[in-house]
Amino acid sequence: DAGITQSPRHKVTETGTPVTLRCHQTENHRYMYWYRQDPGHGLRLIHYSYGVKDTDKGEVSDGYSVSRSKTEDFLLTLESATSSQTSVYFCAISAREGGGEQFFGPGTRLTVL
Amino acid sequence: GENVEQHPSTLSVQEGDSAVIKCTYSDSASNYFPWYKQELGKRPQLIIDIRSNVGEKKDQRIAVTLNKTAKHFSLHITETQPEDSAVYFCAPYNNNDMRFGAGTRLTVKP
Repeated sequence: DAGITQSPRHKVTETGTPVTLRCHQTENHRYMYWYRQDPGHGLRLIHYSYGVKDTDKGEVSDGYSVSRSKTEDFLLTLESATSSQTSVYFCAISAREGGGEQFFGPGTRLTVL
Repeated sequence: GENVEQHPSTLSVQEGDSAVIKCTYSDSASNYFPWYKQELGKRPQLIIDIRSNVGEKKDQRIAVTLNKTAKHFSLHITETQPEDSAVYFCAPYNNNDMRFGAGTRLTVKP
């Protein structure tokens, strides 16, 4: 597997609390992505980054924010978690502009009670 | 945004048979067409991809065909084996917008 890790791997939290998920890569890839995976929906893009401090919204960005202060780290924050954000979150990295293989992290299972 | 549909949603085949999964998309500007495989409890992994200037690509037992006019591309797996059992996702791409299909669960029965 490409050098990509996610932390934490599992988290249970309560509605209304802030949550931050971390994605860390050692591949020096330019592009980083956050997806959520829910049954029946495949993977849906939340936010992506095309460089340090350069981010953009994806298909399901409401309720999420991201930051990328270093090439290797991409943080996903749920400012005030809701039960609808219970999901498995995957980070992915890619070296190529214009579409190319995305390498996925191991995923974080988040449960919001 | 891109509308992506995969068919069938589930597919069960006997070991040794072929399997075909079709992906239709709506954005004619899509120019990169990958297929990902996700085994139970694991991360998705790319198994094959094709770009819009190519009609077909093969890698051993798997192949992808693209019909840009009709806006669909298909994954073909021949001589299926039990280890091919997984969920397969198509993900047509255009300009940093990669939309995944809902997935096809393939079961290969020994």
